[in-house]
Amino acid sequence: GNSVTQMEGPVTLSEEAFLTINCTYTATGYPSLFWYVQYPGEGLQLLLKATKADDKGSNKGFEATYRKETTSFHLEKGSVQVSDSAVYFCALRGGNNRKLIWGLGTSLAVNP
Amino acid sequence: SAVISQKPSRDICQRGTSLTIQCQVDSQVTMMFWYRQQPGQSLTLIATANQGSEATYESGFVIDKFPISRPNLTFSTLTVSNMSPEDSSIYLCSLEGTGNTEAFFGQGTRLTVV
Repeated sequence: GNSVTQMEGPVTLSEEAFLTINCTYTATGYPSLFWYVQYPGEGLQLLLKATKADDKGSNKGFEATYRKETTSFHLEKGSVQVSDSAVYFCALRGGNNRKLIWGLGTSLAVNP
Repeated sequence: SAVISQKPSRDICQRGTSLTIQCQVDSQVTMMFWYRQQPGQSLTLIATANQGSEATYESGFVIDKFPISRPNLTFSTLTVSNMSPEDSSIYLCSLEGTGNTEAFFGQGTRLTVV
């Protein structure tokens, strides 16, 4: 079945550091891939998405590229801010299963 | 994107009692979803709620514990029944677009059972 494997946290970085959170997936067909963010005390918000191979999703300085050859969708940001401190979830949907499949989440703490 | 209003946003409840969580959407949607997020964990789908039919529960979740109502296309409730401390979680309602589109979430209900 479909699955998502996400880099374990917590991740602690200094402000302006480079961020990578790894996400790999297993799926039949051609899933869509998502990154969601959960700020402290809040619900989930869509951060970015990609719906086909080689698509790059981007938002708020974050980027992720849908790599079918490596079945990956790693989240990157060139210079993190304290306000990026949150939990990040990788997810997929589609293929033969319409349900959203979630990674375990990666907690990011950015220190000033 | 749809606007989802969920309430209460948080509650502290005594064990053995029940809490009903409400989810209101500003547009008509066929399917709504209820998730649980236990402390430090990812999301687990509890059930899918379709208007006019019984909810479909995922493995490990039963109607007696988590009864769901879906009286119309813009509203749903989830009740957490006979609560125990293990039910302390964030509960989220969600709707998803058709095909491979993203999901939208309410703000969540942070439940603490004491």
